[in-house]
This record gives sequence, structure tokens and C-alpha cells, in this order.
Amino acid sequence: GAVVSQHPSWVICKSGTSVKIECRSLDFQATTMFWYRQFPKQSLMLMATSNEGSKATYEQGVEKDKFLINHASLTLSTLTVTSAHPEDSSFYICSAPLATGGNQPQHFGDGTRLSIL
Amino acid sequence: DAKTTQPPSMDCAEGRAANLPCNHSTISGNEYVYWYRQIHSQGPQYIIHGLKNNETNEMASLIITEDRKSSTLILPHATLRDTAVYYCIVRVGLGDYKLSFGAGTTVTVRA
Repeated sequence: GAVVSQHPSWVICKSGTSVKIECRSLDFQATTMFWYRQFPKQSLMLMATSNEGSKATYEQGVEKDKFLINHASLTLSTLTVTSAHPEDSSFYICSAPLATGGNQPQHFGDGTRLSIL
Repeated sequence: DAKTTQPPSMDCAEGRAANLPCNHSTISGNEYVYWYRQIHSQGPQYIIHGLKNNETNEMASLIITEDRKSSTLILPHATLRDTAVYYCIVRVGLGDYKLSFGAGTTVTVRA
């Protein structure tokens, strides 16, 4: 069964609104989670690393004020797309390593498809 | 992390073994080889990983060459549900958990 849960799976909203996406680790604690974005026919691009209890680390070119990340508990990270515009429409995916220790695989949520009208 | 090279696409017949190659000629001694796949409109699914030795689990087998410069993912009996994009990723085993996804191989299993 799924070990990482994302919600919602699909969201459509008007331009200018903010959208929050949740990523939960199921039955395990995740001090670190990752957020990716995937445009149609492209590969996944890492956006940021979400760190429990501290600030997220953003990849180059990703606006931290645009994509707010909060990791307030060991099982939940949220990504808020602020003042979303049509160009923010994408497939957003989170992941978390199943356990600490360097060679543990990451497990991914099923993604959130965001469509901005 | 070392870069990987995969063929952009491949077809295979249902019921036959699918052999997916990956080149990682610049791999370092402490880097693992990971395989993930992504079925359309879903998040990536972990398949298998290894360091030096060949590995097998319920999904697939991973064959790593002795010099570790290439590897092959083997799906022993491909089914239509194995149609997906398969990603070979090389990543340092300690510390940073980041994964860098390349273009992957689009595998189409045909009846």
C-alpha cells in the first residue's frame, strides 16, 4: 500500500488564488520530504527540500516566496502555491525516504495535478 | 551525482523479459544505482537499488557490471501494466537524499 499520501489529487482554480497541497508520510516519520514539479512530456524537476522544524531548501530558480513550504510535523509537509497563474499549472509530486540512513529509497505520493484557469 | 544515459524508448512483448540498459560511466565508489518507474499520471514507484552486487526482488532484477559503469534492469515477465517511463538514477548513499531524474526510457509492452 501507499506509504506517502498526497492531497488533493486534482485541483482547478482561478488565477490569483493560492493553493495548498499536503504530503503525508503514512506509518513512518519523515524529517525530510521533497517536492517535485513535472510539466507535460517532461521529467521530474526537484523544487525544494522540506525540512522538519526548519526552513526549506530551494533549488536554483525556484521562488521561495511563490512556493511556500511548511514542514511542521514529522509526518506532514505542505506546499502552497501563492497567487497561482496559468504557468504554474503542473503536476506536483512529493517524496520521502522511508527511513534515515543514506541508501534508503524514496517513496513518492501519487501527485497533485494543478490547473490554473 | 553521476549522470546516467538511457535509451529514450523500447518495446517489448508481453510475457517476455524486458532488459533496460543504463550507462553511468562516471559513477563514484559510494554511489548507488536506483531504478524507479512512472506510470502515466502517477508518482514514481521505487523498483530496486544496488551498489555493487546484483539484486533481485519481487518486481525486478538489477545487474551491475563489475566496473559499475553500467547496469541492466530486468523485468522477468513483462505485462501490459509494466508500460511506463523507467528512470535509472545514480545517487550518493550518504547524507543528501536528492534524486535527479533524467529523461528515462519509455517502455511499451505490447500484447
